[in-house]
Amino acid sequence: KQEVTQIPAALSVPEGENLVLNCSFTDSAIYNLQWFRQDPGKGLTSLLLIQSSQREQTSGRLNASLDKSSGRSTLYIAASQPGDSATYLCAASSGSARQLTFGSGTQLTVLP
Amino acid sequence: EADIYQTPRYLVIGTGKKITLECSQTMGHDKMYWYQQDPGMELHLIHYSYGVNSTEKGDLSSESTVSRIRTEHFPLTLESARPSHTSQYLCASSEYSASFNSPLHFGNGTRLTVT
Repeated sequence: KQEVTQIPAALSVPEGENLVLNCSFTDSAIYNLQWFRQDPGKGLTSLLLIQSSQREQTSGRLNASLDKSSGRSTLYIAASQPGDSATYLCAASSGSARQLTFGSGTQLTVLP
Repeated sequence: EADIYQTPRYLVIGTGKKITLECSQTMGHDKMYWYQQDPGMELHLIHYSYGVNSTEKGDLSSESTVSRIRTEHFPLTLESARPSHTSQYLCASSEYSASFNSPLHFGNGTRLTVT
């Protein structure tokens, strides 16, 4: 059964800093790895989707990488801003039904 | 901008009541999902649908039921609410992809409290 872990659970950084969020998964036979952002009391917003055949995806200041062999993905945020403060979740698509297994997220606070 | 709508946003209800959580999407997506999320915890899939008249149970055991009579509508029903059902319920949709590589779009959720 797929398990997804995100460490750290919370992270606080000063504005302008570059940062990396980590995601690990136990079953490397994934179809894709997705990163989401969740603001308090809201649903999830899709940030990046990396297909199993890809190594990374970029969108603006965000870059996500995927290493299936080691069961790891990272989300790199460049030049962080207070508006980046949110909980970031990763999810791995695997299994016969290709369902997503979510991590519990990293709560990011960017201090002005 | 949300193209997937959930109502109500908040619901406080007494034990034993029947409730229906509504979810509608305007994107024409074939796939729809219901997730349950407790504060600070991961999302757990409780139901999903790959199209009209198609519904399946997810990994998390749930006493709820769903229906998919129209593409855009995927309501979730609890016949008899209990305090253990207190949680946030998130609806999501995605377009069909032969490679299953379409991102999920989420609604803003319904926060349910059963007293």
